[in-house]
Amino acid sequence: SQQGEEDPQALSIQEGENATMNCSYKTSINNLQWYRQNSGRGLVHLILIRSNEREKHSGRLRVTLDTSKKSSSLLITASRAADTASYFCATSKGGGSEKLVFGKGTKLTVNP
Amino acid sequence: SQTIHQWPATLVQPVGSPLSLECTVEGTSNPNLYWYRQAAGRGLQLLFYSIGIDQISSEVPQNLSASRPQDRQFILSSKKLLLSDSGFYLCAWSGRGASVKAFFGQGTRLTVV
Repeated sequence: SQQGEEDPQALSIQEGENATMNCSYKTSINNLQWYRQNSGRGLVHLILIRSNEREKHSGRLRVTLDTSKKSSSLLITASRAADTASYFCATSKGGGSEKLVFGKGTKLTVNP
Repeated sequence: SQTIHQWPATLVQPVGSPLSLECTVEGTSNPNLYWYRQAAGRGLQLLFYSIGIDQISSEVPQNLSASRPQDRQFILSSKKLLLSDSGFYLCAWSGRGASVKAFFGQGTRLTVV
């Protein structure tokens, strides 16, 4: 079953604007990861946040994690047309299970 | 450095025919291996997960099977394809430990006709 659920399903913005995507999950997790997928390609890892972390930055990416609400957000600042892709969150439950379960993704379109 | 190879990139197969998709990983040992399927415009559904040779967990009941004959080789198979098996299949690997990221192959677009 799906663990993560991203919203919105699709997001269209103008270049230079910020894009925020959210992910909710159901069970306790060890960490949460965000991945990017260009159309018809494999996924590429963007950032990982551990369950004991609340915020993490990587370049123009900012990820937050609220374990009490079982939710995470991915913020892309100053978006570019090249950021157009689908973004997925993935969770790992830990406790000896390292398998990654992905959400349905948010399709981001950045218009030039 | 580690690399993952998945082939073929595209495949068109008739209903009822067998399937074999192969994935190999280089530059690492004892990886976790995954097969995912992605329907058009949808998320990734975990099909199989393997922590070692001949140690495979099936996540959903289906017409597919997986095998891991060698440490860095993961094969997705079917004896008789169904129309509903069409989709984008992704192989991935991850290292061991609590906070590891996954590395994906480029995917196989399977169309069953």
